Parts: sequence; structure tokens; C-alpha cells
Amino acid sequence: EPEVTQTPSHQVTQMGQEVILRCVPISNHLYFYWYRQILGQKVEFLVSFYNNEISEKSEIFDDQFSVERPDGSNFTLKIRSTKLEDSAMYFCASIPHGDSYEQYFGPGTRLTVT
Amino acid sequence: RKEVEQDPGPFNVPEGATVAFNCTYSNSASQSFFWYRQDCRKEPKLLMSVYSSGNEDGRFTAQLNRASQYISLLIRDSKLSDSATYLCVVIPRAAGNKLTFGGGTRVLVKP
Repeated sequence: EPEVTQTPSHQVTQMGQEVILRCVPISNHLYFYWYRQILGQKVEFLVSFYNNEISEKSEIFDDQFSVERPDGSNFTLKIRSTKLEDSAMYFCASIPHGDSYEQYFGPGTRLTVT
Repeated sequence: RKEVEQDPGPFNVPEGATVAFNCTYSNSASQSFFWYRQDCRKEPKLLMSVYSSGNEDGRFTAQLNRASQYISLLIRDSKLSDSATYLCVVIPRAAGNKLTFGGGTRVLVKP
């Protein structure tokens, strides 16, 4: 069964460093999402992406964040200058078309900022 | 008021028993409702959608009450493998499929 993959599974970085989290959505999917979950808290929407541009972003998704689909398979989330409060699980998700309601989540990347 | 609120639990449930819990949502224009399951440190996975007429999937029954703005999940004949956090998820109208999550209800099924 096709699945969303994410790398790395765990990333440790120092405050102020840039990180890139990578996702490979399911191959025929067209809509892509990033969510984050701080330990012990709820899953929060960050950004949605369709047709090579951002469809919607949350208040969390400020100027330090960016997303990109550099080729036909990868979908990346870049955090330019990480802060301690960026430590969280970051989940990528995808759906095949706009009428789909089931989002397929990747296993997540645990980001630890020290 | 939080967009989606859940009792965090934990609900300690004897194996074979029935457990039920609710979730309330604040946006009356919300159009789609779901229950997701999340195991510890894993990704959320869709358990079931919630339809206006209520729906059942095996041992799981979901109900939607639009007037009171809550949805419910009932688990019958609980199994040890049902131990997880159950996430209430809402899609507001015209939200482009952005999922709004509740904080989750933790269920622990014990022998």
C-alpha cells in the first residue's frame, strides 16, 4: 500500500540553525500539508500546498518557515533559524484531490532544538 | 473558547467493556467531522468519518449532534489494542481540507 514517507525520523539541531524536513507524498496525490505536534499538545495545522503554491497557512507559519516542492516527489519544510519552541513532531500529509477527506500522514520527524 | 475540545482522560476501561466520549466544536459552520486514532509518538490515522445520521464501523459508533455542536465516539467490546489517543477532527466550511484537531482523549484498556 502506498504511504507517505518522511526523513529524517529524528533531527537534533542547535538554536539558530536551519533545518529542512523532507517528505515524499503518495505519488498521485496533489495536495500536501504540514502539521506539527508539540509534545503533549494537539496536532496543529501549519500549511497547505497545491499546484506549486501555498493554499493556506496558519499563524504559526511565519517568515522563518517555507515550503517547497523541488521536484516531482519531494515536499520540504524549511525552518530558517530554529528556536527552542520549534521542538515538536512534524507530520506531512497528502490527499489525491480536493474532494478527498482522508489525509494520509507520514510517520513524522521529531525535531529537537537545543 | 477552543475550536475543538475533548476530555483528555485517561478513560480506564476493562477489556470487553464499552466506553464513550464526546468532543465539542465551536464553529457552527463546520462541515466535516472525523475521529482519528493516534498511538504514542505515531502519526494520526483516520478511524472513521462522522455523518449526520450517525454511523457504525464494527465495534465503533460515531454520532453527530449539530444542534449542540458535539460528536461522540462509542467503542463496544473494548480490546487491549484499542488503547490509544482518539482525536476529534473538524474541517470548517471552506477550509480547504485543513484539519482542526482536538487535544485527544486517551483510552487505556486493561485486562
